[in-house]
Amino acid sequence: GQQVMQIPQYQHVQEGEDFTTYCNSSTTLSNIQWYKQRPGGHPVFLIQLVKSGEVKKQKRLTFQFGEAKKNSSLHITATQTTDVGTYFCAPNQAGTALIFGKGTTLSVSS
Amino acid sequence: DTAVSQTPKYLVTQMGNDKSIKCEQNLGHDTMYWYKQDSKKFLKIMFSYNNKELIINETVPNRFSPKSPDKAHLNLHINSLELGDSAVYFCASSQDPTEQFFGPGTRLTVL
Repeated sequence: GQQVMQIPQYQHVQEGEDFTTYCNSSTTLSNIQWYKQRPGGHPVFLIQLVKSGEVKKQKRLTFQFGEAKKNSSLHITATQTTDVGTYFCAPNQAGTALIFGKGTTLSVSS
Repeated sequence: DTAVSQTPKYLVTQMGNDKSIKCEQNLGHDTMYWYKQDSKKFLKIMFSYNNKELIINETVPNRFSPKSPDKAHLNLHINSLELGDSAVYFCASSQDPTEQFFGPGTRLTVL
């Protein structure tokens, strides 16, 4: 079955530093979604990547989909305290449901 | 207007009891889901319904029974609650294969 690994599990940064979380799949993916869950909140959709090598930006967030469509990354430039939360990748293989990674929990100190 | 709503928000109960969690979505989506999130934040899918039909049933104890009276509702009934059932349960909906919209969650505590 599909295996999803997301690293790191935890990351603490100083405000203004950059942050990256990585998601790796053992199989080729149809697409991958990213979600953010604030402490005490529910997962909220950020973006979906579909094409090989795709790069999408949302303000300070940059999302990449690997050329082989087996990995993805989320990079945050100059973190702010509002970026605190857990970031989940959710790879999708054709014909199956989303499988959420274990998430990367980001904490930011000012 | 709340897109995906769940009730109750908190549920504290004794071992062995039976309880239900309700979920409603007003987005007109065809697919609804139940997820369990444990204390380590691992988000695991339990069930998925498409137009009132069960399409995903992951390995969960048969004490858990989903029911979808119509495509806007997906309820979760749990029999004979156990300590290990304590978790946050999220309902979600989507118009496949697009983004999923999550409800606020139900924090279940079994004593």
